[in-house]
Amino acid sequence: GQQVMQIPQYQHVQEGEDFTTYCNSSTTLSNIQWYKQRPGGHPVFLIQLVKSGEVKKQKRLTFQFGEAKKNSSLHITATQTTDVGTYFCALRAGNMLTFGGGTRLMVKP
Amino acid sequence: EAGVVQSPRYKIIEKKQPVAFWCNPISGHNTLYWYLQNLGQGPELLIRYENEEAVDDSQLPKDRFSAERLKGVDSTLKIQPAELGDSAVYLCASSLGPATDIQYFGAGTRLSVL
Repeated sequence: GQQVMQIPQYQHVQEGEDFTTYCNSSTTLSNIQWYKQRPGGHPVFLIQLVKSGEVKKQKRLTFQFGEAKKNSSLHITATQTTDVGTYFCALRAGNMLTFGGGTRLMVKP
Repeated sequence: EAGVVQSPRYKIIEKKQPVAFWCNPISGHNTLYWYLQNLGQGPELLIRYENEEAVDDSQLPKDRFSAERLKGVDSTLKIQPAELGDSAVYLCASSLGPATDIQYFGAGTRLSVL
């Protein structure tokens, strides 16, 4: 089956520092989606990447899809306390959809 | 517009008892997903419906878990009998279509098996 590795598992940052989470797949992907889950909440869709090498930005968040469509990253510039939560990638290859284990971000004010 | 509605929000049962979860997807969404989420982990797909047809149930433990989606709208997920290891959050999600669509999640049902 499809293998997904998301790193790091946890990240503590000081407010204002940058943060990056990486998602790697063992197979070539159709697309990748990113979700955010606040503590005690449910996953909420952030963005979808489809094209090789695609880069999308949402305010302080930058999402990138690798050239080989096997990896992706999410970068947050100047973190804020509202960024706290777990960030999941969801990989789609054919009809298979697999969520990564998530990166839990904690921000110290 | 109402989101994905799940009930109950919490359920505490003793092992070997049956339990059922209910999900009402967003109106017009053809695809419905049931996920299991353990603490500190990502959602794991249990079953995916396209309308009323279960098209991916390879991860559903069929000896004790069952699901149905009547008339391609609401869905129920049942466990009988429940085991201690079934304690988790059960998430329902829906999307307009299957292939590349955004999934909208419900608040989940937190199950505790004692």
